[in-house]
Amino acid sequence: GDSVTQMEGPVTLSEEAFLTINCTYTATGYPSLFWYVQYPGEGLQLLLKATKADDKGSNKGFEATYRKETTSFHLEKGSVQVSDSAVYFCALSDRTTGNQFYFGTGTSLTVIP
Amino acid sequence: KAGVTQTPRYLIKTRGQQVTLSCSPISGHRSVSWYQQTPGQGLQFLFEYFSETQRNKGNFPGRFSGRQFSNSRSEMNVSTLELGDSALYLCASSFGPGAYQPQHFGDGTRLSIL
Repeated sequence: GDSVTQMEGPVTLSEEAFLTINCTYTATGYPSLFWYVQYPGEGLQLLLKATKADDKGSNKGFEATYRKETTSFHLEKGSVQVSDSAVYFCALSDRTTGNQFYFGTGTSLTVIP
Repeated sequence: KAGVTQTPRYLIKTRGQQVTLSCSPISGHRSVSWYQQTPGQGLQFLFEYFSETQRNKGNFPGRFSGRQFSNSRSEMNVSTLELGDSALYLCASSFGPGAYQPQHFGDGTRLSIL
C-alpha cells in the first residue's frame, strides 16, 4: 500500500543553518506530493506541493523536488529562522487509491538563535 | 476567506460517553476528511466525505462514524469513549477529492478522556 517515510526527529539547528528533512514514499500510482507544517497549537498548513516528476515546489524559502527515480521529496531551506520552528509532515495523495492522503510521522524542528 | 472551523476546540469526556465534533469547511469546498493525531501514531486517516457520501474510510472501529450535510459541513461521532481516544482530531477540506487538491486543515479539537 501507499506510505510515506520521513526522517526521525527532533532536529535542532542554529539560526541561518541549512535544513534538510528527508522524505521517501511508496505509491501504487503516480502520486501528488506535499509538505505541511504544524505550528504549536495549530492545525496543519500547506507549505508546498508537486504534482509530477521533476516538479519543484517552493514557498517561504523552502524547496522540495519530486524525484520519481529515488521516490523522494526531501525538504530543504538554505537559511532557517527561529520562526521556522515547527513540525513538518510529508504527505502524498494517490489517484490510484482514491486520492486518500497519507502522512509521514512528522519531523520536529527547533531553531535556536 | 474564512478557513476551516472546528468546534469545540477542547473537550473533556469520561470513558463510556459519546462525543460529536463539528467541522465547517472553507466556502466552496465539498470534500471533508477527518484525522486523528496522537504523539505515538502520528496522523491517522479516519474518513473522507464528498457530496454527503463517505468515499474512503481508515482502519478505525465502528465506534467512529461521521456524516456530511448538504452545506458540506461535517460531523464526527465517537461512541463508547475509551482512554485511547484521547487525541487531537483534525478536519481538512478541499474543493474535491482530486489528487492535485491540497487539503486545508482546521486547528483541531483536542479531546481528553478521563
